[in-house]
Amino acid sequence: EAAVTQSPRNKVTVTGGNVTLSCRQTNSHNYMYWYRQDTGHGLRLIHYSYGAGNLQIGDVPDGYKATRTTQEDFFLLLELASPSQTSLYFCASSDSTGEQFFGPGTRLTVL
Amino acid sequence: QQQVRQSPQSLTVWEGETAILNCSYENSAFDYFPWYQQFPGEGPALLISILSVSDKKEDGRFTIFFNKREKKLSLHIADSQPGDSATYFCAVSSGSWQLIFGSGTQLTVMP
Repeated sequence: EAAVTQSPRNKVTVTGGNVTLSCRQTNSHNYMYWYRQDTGHGLRLIHYSYGAGNLQIGDVPDGYKATRTTQEDFFLLLELASPSQTSLYFCASSDSTGEQFFGPGTRLTVL
Repeated sequence: QQQVRQSPQSLTVWEGETAILNCSYENSAFDYFPWYQQFPGEGPALLISILSVSDKKEDGRFTIFFNKREKKLSLHIADSQPGDSATYFCAVSSGSWQLIFGSGTQLTVMP
C-alpha cells in the first residue's frame, strides 16, 4: 500500500560492479528524485525528473545515471561502482506543491 | 558551501521538556521551509512547514519560529515524548519543487 517503494532494500557489490536501484510511485506525481544520505551531509540530490523520459542533473551526479521510463518508475544506475558510493539511497516523489514523499531507502555497500 | 546549516548535530532532552532545533540559510530568495522527520529504517516524512510570509507556524506540539531578517528558523517540540526521538531535517526552497536539505539534528528524548 506504500506510495513509494524501492528495491532492493539492501545491496552489496564490488568495486567496478554494475548496480541498478529501482523506485516506483503510485502517487500520480510528476516529479521524482534520487538522493543519497550520508552522515554529516544530510540528503543530497543526485538526479531528478519531471516526467517520463525527462532527466535533470542534481547536486552530486558524478558516477550516476538515471532513467525515468514511465510516470511511475525511476531508476538509478551505477555502471562502475566505487566505495565512495557506499550510502543510503532514497527515492521521492512530489507534485508541484513541493511536499516530497520518500521511499524506505536502499542501503548500498560497495566493497 | 553549505546553503543550509543545522544545529546542534545531536540533542538529548528529558521527556516533557521543550526541544529546540536550529536552522540557518544563506540565500534570501528561499521562501519555503519544511521540516522533515526521519525514524531509523524509514524515509523522511514532512512534519511541518512555513512560508517566508509568516513568522510562526504551529501544529500541535510542533512550532516553527522564523526570522527572515536573520535568515534563521527554529523548530520547537513542546512536551517532548520518547516517540519524538528521530532525526530532523530542515530544508529550503525558492518557489520550486526542488528542496535543499540541511545535515540534520538527531534528537533523543529520555523517559
